[in-house]
Amino acid sequence: DSGVTQTPKHLITATGQRVTLRCSPRSGDLSVYWYQQSLDQGLQFLIQYYNGEERAKGNILERFSAQQFPDLHSELNLSSLELGDSALYFCASSVFDRVGGNTIYFGEGSWLTVV
Amino acid sequence: SQELEQSPQSLIVQEGKNLTINCTSSKTLYGLYWYKQKYGEGLIFLMMLQKGGEEKSHEKITAKLDEKKQQSSLHITASQPSHAGIYLCGAAFSGSARQLTFGSGTQLTVLP
Repeated sequence: DSGVTQTPKHLITATGQRVTLRCSPRSGDLSVYWYQQSLDQGLQFLIQYYNGEERAKGNILERFSAQQFPDLHSELNLSSLELGDSALYFCASSVFDRVGGNTIYFGEGSWLTVV
Repeated sequence: SQELEQSPQSLIVQEGKNLTINCTSSKTLYGLYWYKQKYGEGLIFLMMLQKGGEEKSHEKITAKLDEKKQQSSLHITASQPSHAGIYLCGAAFSGSARQLTFGSGTQLTVLP
């Protein structure tokens, strides 16, 4: 168990709908990352938040948005869903220490199926 | 990602055999991460390497970082069926930012 909690584990929804994926980082981790894993694109970075502020953006579609709340949990909002959005969405969190560096731990993922 | 090439794509070995997976970057590495994944499940953190020449071991898995070649290798000694899964390398191309670019993964099968 990595300590990163994601809900829901599985989600099936129709095209055009909107869903919200939730992530609770490891205790004490200020950074949260979202990744998308699909068969054709592999594992791709979407967006990073650090202590409530957006830190970096990757290949995130305009239909997708995220935020990190004061209690450090994060949500990824996916709207106007298309069949191609079906994927495994991961949240990760990180902590930095002088010895180990920046260790990044991943959650179990949220399986999204768009039908 | 073409920035990070993993090889081989798949590997089938007999239990007890040693094996090596390589991860080569086309850009300067600031950190190289190794993860293991069972299909459809989460990524399990294995090791992170930061400095050229660094080598880390955990149980029967050893990872090294060759700074000159911008390459990392993951070596498993005396493989077991429990080692089966998808091994992914992820690279940090910036010293400050830690978003990772991942390789396409290596599917490892260990035959009993």
